[in-house]
Formats: sequence, C-alpha cells, structure tokens
Amino acid sequence: AQSVAQPEDQVNVAEGNPLTVKCTYSVSGNPYLFWYVQYPNRGLQFLLKYITGDNLVKGSYGFEAEFNKSQTSFHLKKPSALVSDSALYFCAVRDGGGSTLGRLYFGRGTQLTVWP
Amino acid sequence: NAGVTQTPKFQVLKTGQSMTLQCAQDMNHEYMSWYRQDPGMGLRLIHYSVGAGITDQGEVPNGYNVSRSTTEDFPLRLLSAAPSQTSVYFCASSYSFTGTSAGELFFGEGSRLTVL
Repeated sequence: AQSVAQPEDQVNVAEGNPLTVKCTYSVSGNPYLFWYVQYPNRGLQFLLKYITGDNLVKGSYGFEAEFNKSQTSFHLKKPSALVSDSALYFCAVRDGGGSTLGRLYFGRGTQLTVWP
Repeated sequence: NAGVTQTPKFQVLKTGQSMTLQCAQDMNHEYMSWYRQDPGMGLRLIHYSVGAGITDQGEVPNGYNVSRSTTEDFPLRLLSAAPSQTSVYFCASSYSFTGTSAGELFFGEGSRLTVL
C-alpha cells in the first residue's frame, strides 16, 4: 500500500538559516513525489515534483527537494529561510503504475515556522 | 482566472441532514477529486474522477456520493450528515490523469463543514 510519513509535526528555524522538512514514502511501483504548501485558510499550492531524472529537483520560491531511492526519502530543502516561508507543508506520493493511478496520498503535514 | 471554485465556504448542518458541496473548474482538467482535511490527519482522498461519467472511491468514501456529468463540475453529496464528517473539504483538479504532469493538483479554497 502507498503511504507517506512526515516524521516532524513542527520545524522551527531562524530566518537566513537553511531548512529541511523530512518525508519518507512507500509505494509498490515507481514513486511520483510531490511537495505542497498551505497557507492559513487557503487551499494547497503545488511546490515541486519528482517523476524521473535528476535526484535534486527545484521548485517554486527557492525550494528544492532531494530524492533518495535507497532511503525512500524526498526531503524538502531551502538554503536560506524567510519568515514568509512559514506555512504547513505536505509531502505526497502516487504510484507511477498499477491500479491506484488516480490516488495521491498525502502525509500529515509539517508546520514550518521561521522566526526573525 | 477562476481556477477551482468551491461553494459554500462555510456550512453548518444538523445530524441526518443532507447537502451538496459544489466544485467547478474552468481549466478543462480531466481529473477531479475531493479530499477532507482533519487536524493531524493530513488530507484523505474521498472520491475522484478521471473524466466525465467516471468516478472511483478513495480512502474514505463512506457517507459520500459523487457524480461527474460534465468535465467542469464534480459535486460531493453528504447523504446523511454525521458529526464525524465535520471537516474542511477540498476539491482539486489536474490536467492529466496519467503522465508526468499527474499529481500537480490545483486546489479550491476549501469548504468548512460543521455537523452538530
């Protein structure tokens, strides 16, 4: 069965410091991996994805994520955090093949707080 | 740029009442889905559709009904509301059901439902 784990409910970093939001996944086939961000009282917004190719993918707002197949991880990173990055971040996975093509599975979310 | 439009934004129901959450998208997306978001649970897929006339169940379909008579609309019906259905509901759509763009969902702003 497909699943996503975000081991940290909260991540706190100082502005200007690098940030990492962790994600591990489990799928039966090839993973399609995604990161989304949610600001208060808003819908989710797509940040970036990994389908195939380079393990380091770049997305919106200076975020990037590193796919590690051996560790089944897809951690979200940013070299220098901004206060405006404070939000709820979701990792998501779908199976690249098989009978569950239509399903995107989300993690529980990680609340990122960047303090000035 | 309407994108994905959900109505109503807020609704209070009594146990046993029925209602329909409306979702419309103007991007000609073939894939549409409904999620519910609960604290500490992330987003859970209720139902999804890969095109007009085609729907399928997600992770938590019980108590909900959907139909897809047009490409644009994907209403979610609560047949007999229960307090356990108190949640924030999100409709999301995607251009492609398969392929490398699959999973890049566009979300509505959400509908907050309270069942008393």
